[in-house]
Amino acid sequence: DAGVIQSPRHEVTEMGQEVTLRCKPISGHDYLFWYRQTMMRGLELLIYFNNNVPIDDSGMPEDRFSAKMPNASFSTLKIQPSEPRDSAVYFCASSPTGLYGYTFGSGTRLTVV
Amino acid sequence: GESVGLHLPTLSVQEGDNSIINCAYSNSASDYFIWYKQESGKGPQFIIDIRSNMDKRQGQRVTVLLNKTVKHLSLQIAATQPGDSAVYFCAEKAAGNKLTFGGGTRVLVKP
Repeated sequence: DAGVIQSPRHEVTEMGQEVTLRCKPISGHDYLFWYRQTMMRGLELLIYFNNNVPIDDSGMPEDRFSAKMPNASFSTLKIQPSEPRDSAVYFCASSPTGLYGYTFGSGTRLTVV
Repeated sequence: GESVGLHLPTLSVQEGDNSIINCAYSNSASDYFIWYKQESGKGPQFIIDIRSNMDKRQGQRVTVLLNKTVKHLSLQIAATQPGDSAVYFCAEKAAGNKLTFGGGTRVLVKP
């Protein structure tokens, strides 16, 4: 089992550019979560999906952020346009039940300059 | 890359000693709690969980204690090893499938 796979591991981009982060959940996990981790705010849930359907996106900071899950094995988090305050580590996690068995990916470190 | 910042509470412990990490949670309706370990450059890793109908649960070298009266959770690590050096987070679940994470505690194990 390869675990939750995120790409890229590191992303440096200029302010105003579009950024797309990718996640492949563990096969058979019906829930997928996107988190953001910063020094100031710790780990925050942005959005989560159940069976590819967004269930709760109340943590998405603003309209510049969007997430999709076109199929059970792939999800994207897009920021357009990116701003320096979006700099953070973004984690994807998946779970078979939504409650137990959370497994996190290794994260994408985003730096917006 | 590091995943947490400079102002975390830090627990320094001698190798072989026991560690106790504390967490105060906020929501009296939370019914499920998890402890995670996060090493530098990695995502949080599950350690142990406990439901609100329990007050103690033991794993391998770890014990979680839950005191619902004062909304307090603790993680005890027995015979702390250098590999236990990491940031430890507690997380609570109230409604739905959303976990709310605490701010984290950094554990440094001295040889």
